[in-house]
Amino acid sequence: GQNIDQPTEMTATEGAIVQINCTYQTSGFNGLFWYQQHAGEAPTFLSYNVLDGLEEKGRFSSFLSRSKGYSYLLLKELQMKDSASYLCAVRDSNYQLIWGAGTKLIIKP
Amino acid sequence: IAGITQAPTSQILAAGRRMTLRCTQDMRHNAMYWYRQDLGLGLRLIHYSNTAGTTGKGEVPDGYSVSRANTDDFPLTLASAVPSQTSVYFCASSASAGAGNEQFFGPGTRLTVL
Repeated sequence: GQNIDQPTEMTATEGAIVQINCTYQTSGFNGLFWYQQHAGEAPTFLSYNVLDGLEEKGRFSSFLSRSKGYSYLLLKELQMKDSASYLCAVRDSNYQLIWGAGTKLIIKP
Repeated sequence: IAGITQAPTSQILAAGRRMTLRCTQDMRHNAMYWYRQDLGLGLRLIHYSNTAGTTGKGEVPDGYSVSRANTDDFPLTLASAVPSQTSVYFCASSASAGAGNEQFFGPGTRLTVL
């Protein structure tokens, strides 16, 4: 079967750095996405990785290792508004997105 | 309108009733999707459409049907609602079904079936 694993919840301090991990087992691989979802709102796109390595976009970076079936999202200089769920999704061989259950990130002052 | 709109925002429905959730996008995207999101589970794909006039089944299609008569609209119908269909429903679209295309999401419909 297909499986995406992420930690259920993480807590971090304002101004700090946090790394959210995602491991996957899917039928084929055509890219990995990270989305942010604030409570009661729709998911919004953060990043896309299809090749191994690090993609940096401002305070957010995303890393991919296809051989390990592993990705992480790195958030720097945490702000209170970063409190949200972070969703990892893999596009499989049918070009459909398989979603993890999400990681709820709690930021404390 | 800009982006994707969904209607209604929320709905309480008696079991056995028929219900259509509406979704409209104005981005001229070819691909559209319906997901349900339940607590503790990832988004699960119900149905999708890669282009107007075509539809396909996702991971959890039973009890749901869709149509794609034009590019902009992608309604989801529950023929006879059951309590297990209580969920938050998100419509999404992407420029195409290709690999790198991000999906844009509507605001969601919160459906309760009693």
